[in-house]
Amino acid sequence: AAGVIQSPRHLIKEKRETATLKCYPIPRHDTVYWYQQGPGQDPQFLISFYEKMQSDKGSIPDRFSAQQFSDYHSELNMSSLELGDSALYFCASSWTDRNSYNEQFFGPGTRLTVL
Amino acid sequence: DAKTTQPTSMDCAEGRAANLPCNHSTISGNEYVYWYRQIHSQGPQYIIHGLKNNETNEMASLIITEDRKSSTLILPHATLRDTAVYYCILPSGDTGTASKLTFGTGTRLQVTL
Repeated sequence: AAGVIQSPRHLIKEKRETATLKCYPIPRHDTVYWYQQGPGQDPQFLISFYEKMQSDKGSIPDRFSAQQFSDYHSELNMSSLELGDSALYFCASSWTDRNSYNEQFFGPGTRLTVL
Repeated sequence: DAKTTQPTSMDCAEGRAANLPCNHSTISGNEYVYWYRQIHSQGPQYIIHGLKNNETNEMASLIITEDRKSSTLILPHATLRDTAVYYCILPSGDTGTASKLTFGTGTRLQVTL
């Protein structure tokens, strides 16, 4: 079965540079979520999109922005990178059912290292 | 979000049942209980969810107490590959909406030979 695809899998950037992470959800899923997991920490919700509109926002820095495109893929743009942005970034997708919550399917993550 | 409380860590012998408890005493009537796990540095993986009744799938069973204030995830025959951090989560938001997951500290399950 198709899974969530994230690219790149690994990314190394210098401080103050810009990074773009991409996420391709499972076909027919209409919702995308982004999570950040720092070293030794639990995943933290950043932002989500439902049908190409931002649906929720967590502890996402103002330096970060994201969007969901017409083909439902999503991109997380990160500017003025800081050392503390080094983390695993997970994308998840789900199909939003009006009658219940739906499980989220996570991608393998992008490991961002800021030097 | 309703808060959940889980033990920090547990050990289980391979082949035995692993019973992972979760306390969610402030759960509201329409909140589901979800369980996810994360094997080292991999993306979290959905396991099971339930509202009131006990649930079972190919991965695990979920037992929810009648008052819904606690639940137990059961892995009937744990293997080394089940070593992971297990998260009990009550998604925020209303049903029918895209609900973020708030990960607590979870239970680190170590399955040993």
